[in-house]
Formats: sequence, structure tokens, C-alpha cells
Amino acid sequence: QKEVEQNSGPLSVPEGAIASLNCTYSDRGSQSFFWYRQYSGKSPELIMFIYSNGDKEDGRFTAQLNKASQYVSLLIRDSQPSDSATYLCAAPNTGFQKLVFGTGTRLLVSP
Amino acid sequence: SQTIHQWPATLVQPVGSPLSLECTVEGTSNPNLYWYRQAAGRGLQLLFYSVGIGQISSEVPQNLSASRPQDRQFILSSKKLLLSDSGFYLCAWSGSRLALISYEQYFGPGTRLTVT
Repeated sequence: QKEVEQNSGPLSVPEGAIASLNCTYSDRGSQSFFWYRQYSGKSPELIMFIYSNGDKEDGRFTAQLNKASQYVSLLIRDSQPSDSATYLCAAPNTGFQKLVFGTGTRLLVSP
Repeated sequence: SQTIHQWPATLVQPVGSPLSLECTVEGTSNPNLYWYRQAAGRGLQLLFYSVGIGQISSEVPQNLSASRPQDRQFILSSKKLLLSDSGFYLCAWSGSRLALISYEQYFGPGTRLTVT
């Protein structure tokens, strides 16, 4: 059974700092990973996906994948209070019909 | 572009009453469809998924059922609600099974169910 694990947090960072969110996974065969942001009371929103080893940048967000160490991370530069949310990491299951979600890391950005 | 709708947005139902939640997707064909439940302060629990009309896979035993009467319509039902059925119900879709690379899911706005 594939597992995706995240620290539940909360991770507290000051405004303007870099927030680093981490996710580890158990299946060495995992090829792709997804990061979702969920504001309190709202549905999850896809913000990043990464398929290859290395970094992928999109605005203030950078996803990093290290297949050898089986972890994927999300960096948020110049963190803003509006980034305060729960961030979910996910990977497809072996049959690629479902996503296995982590339980999420709560991020708090203080002004 | 693709959009996903869920209704109702909120629902308060007494224990033992029936339930019907509806989800529809626009702008795509042959989507995979998913029902999740999220209890307060908890992670996502996959309840059902469907890869086509009439094809339903159940992830956890419970008093809920799902149906897919049309390609882009997914319905979650219960004959008798329990207190433990309270939660945030999310419908999601992903690309056709013919899409080999992208399996990201897109979520609807959700239905907040309170069973009293």
C-alpha cells in the first residue's frame, strides 16, 4: 500500500520568509507528485505538479523532487499571510486511477 | 475550460434521513470521477471512484453508495444517515484513462453535511 506522509504542523514562518513543506513517499516507483493548497473551509486547489527529478518553479512556488531519497518538497518564497493554508501532497497509486494524499501540513504566515 | 459543480453547498439532515449529493463536470468527456469525505480537521478519505458510466469502485465499507448515470454526473447517496456521516464531501475529476501522463485531480467546491 503506497503511503504519502507529511508533518501535520503547524509550520509557522514570518511574512517574507521561505516556507519549506516536505513530503515523503513509500513507493520507489512513483513518477509524479502533486501539491494542493486548501484554505480553511474550502476545497483543495492544485498548485504544482512535478514529474522529473530536480526543481520546478512557478512564480513564488518551487517543487523539488528527489527520487533517490523518496521525498518531494514545496518551497514558497516571500511568504504572505494569504499563503496560510493546509498543503496536501499526493501521488498516483500503482494503477494510476487514484491519488494517494498525505494528511497535509498546516502553514501559518504571520505579518 | 473544465468546471465542476456540486450541490447543495450546505446541508443539515437528521439521523436516519436519506441523502443525495450531486456532482457534474463540464468541458470534458470520459472523466474519472471521485467522491471524498473530509471530517473536521482531518485528511481526505476516498469513498468511491468511477472510470466510466455505471462503473463504481468502493474504497471503504459504509452506508453510502454512489452512482454514475451519465458520463459527467456522479451521485452520492445514503438511505439512512448516521451522525458519523457528517463532514465535507468533495467531488473531483481527472483526465480520461487514455491520458498517460497527467493524473491530477480537480475538486469541486464541496458540500458541507451536518447530521443532527
